[in-house]
Amino acid sequence: AQTVTQSQPEMSVQEAETVTLSCTYDTSENNYYLFWYKQPPSRQMILVIRQEAYKQQNATENRFSVNFQKAAKSFSLKISDSQLGDTAMYFCAFMKPPPRRGNKLTFGTGTQLKVEL
Amino acid sequence: DVKVTQSSRYLVKRTGEKVFLECVQDMDHENMFWYRQDPGLGLRLIYFSYDVKMKEKGDIPEGYSVSREKKERFSLILESASTNQTSMYLCASSLNPLAGHLYEQYFGPGTRLTVT
Repeated sequence: AQTVTQSQPEMSVQEAETVTLSCTYDTSENNYYLFWYKQPPSRQMILVIRQEAYKQQNATENRFSVNFQKAAKSFSLKISDSQLGDTAMYFCAFMKPPPRRGNKLTFGTGTQLKVEL
Repeated sequence: DVKVTQSSRYLVKRTGEKVFLECVQDMDHENMFWYRQDPGLGLRLIYFSYDVKMKEKGDIPEGYSVSREKKERFSLILESASTNQTSMYLCASSLNPLAGHLYEQYFGPGTRLTVT
């Protein structure tokens, strides 16, 4: 079974600074997918960024980027130029490759990020 | 715009009651999921459905059942609610992956259930 570990329950960062959230996972699969989801206070969970394990290049979405280290089974999220709206719970998640019935995600325990003025 | 809705944001029930949580998606997604979210435990999958009337157990199915009679609707049922089922329940849906496309899960706003 896959496990996803987020070792930082809470983090804070000053507005406009950069912060990195860590995630490690354990799997015997060679190909898989990794995700970061964001859950703002009292709002719906949304996808931030995804990474396919077979791709060498780290994924980037505007101010969000990942550092994917396959050998180390590490998948960290970097948020640049932090904004107040980045305050949220962030979840790292793992998915086995398709085709499989459904596309189940295994989530980490989350990191609560607070962006401060 | 993608939409997943859940029948209630907050629900309070008594121990032993039968509880229905409803989820509706308007995106014609094949897959639907029920998770529970607890502090320090993240999201854990209760059940998922990959087609109408088809379901599979997730990681923590004990004490729960599900129903999917129509493609757009997925219900979570607590046959006899207990206090340890007090939690936030999240519904999600997604398309089946196609070659070259891995479709994300879209989440509902959640139902915070309290069992007293």
